[in-house]
Amino acid sequence: GENVEQHPSTLSVQEGDSAVIKCTYSDSASNYFPWYKQELGKGPQLIIDIRSNVGEKKDQRIAVTLNKTAKHFSLHITETQPEDSAVYFCAASLFNKFYFGSGTKLNVKP
Amino acid sequence: EPEVTQTPSHQVTQMGQEVILRCVPISNHLYFYWYRQILGQKVEFLVSFYNNEISEKSEIFDDQFSVERPDGSNFTLKIRSTKLEDSAMYFCASRGSAAAEAFFGQGTRLTVV
Repeated sequence: GENVEQHPSTLSVQEGDSAVIKCTYSDSASNYFPWYKQELGKGPQLIIDIRSNVGEKKDQRIAVTLNKTAKHFSLHITETQPEDSAVYFCAASLFNKFYFGSGTKLNVKP
Repeated sequence: EPEVTQTPSHQVTQMGQEVILRCVPISNHLYFYWYRQILGQKVEFLVSFYNNEISEKSEIFDDQFSVERPDGSNFTLKIRSTKLEDSAMYFCASRGSAAAEAFFGQGTRLTVV
């Protein structure tokens, strides 16, 4: 099966700075890579996703990059705000199943 | 905006008891999933369900677990005889197609005492 590794496990940034979270996956057949934000007591909420035929995707302050050759993908948040504080999970989808990374707890300090 | 809803939000049960976790997926979605998240750990796949049958299950999903779509709207996860290690957040998810994004419910926190 697929194995997704995510780093760092915690990330603390100053408001206005950028945050980068990185994930690697093991199975080159994975073709869909969503990122989820999980706030305390809530379920994972999709914030951005990318498919294997695209190298980069941007949505306002959030961007995701995918390097299929190296089998890694990253989440970039620019101009971070305190409300960005949450746990972020990357995932790789293989054969209709999601494999999640271990999560990154992002703390944006005002 | 359509959403996946789960009930109850928190369930406390005694070891050995049966529990049923309920989910209402987004209507017109066809693929349904249960995931669980033990405190501080990864979100883990349990089972996927399509066309009224299990399409895939993980090694976690043993004979103590079962899923059902009893009435065309609800999607349930039953744990027959709960163990302490079943304590976790259980998330239901649904997708409109195999390639579409997945929407997750807010989760049910199961505590086995």
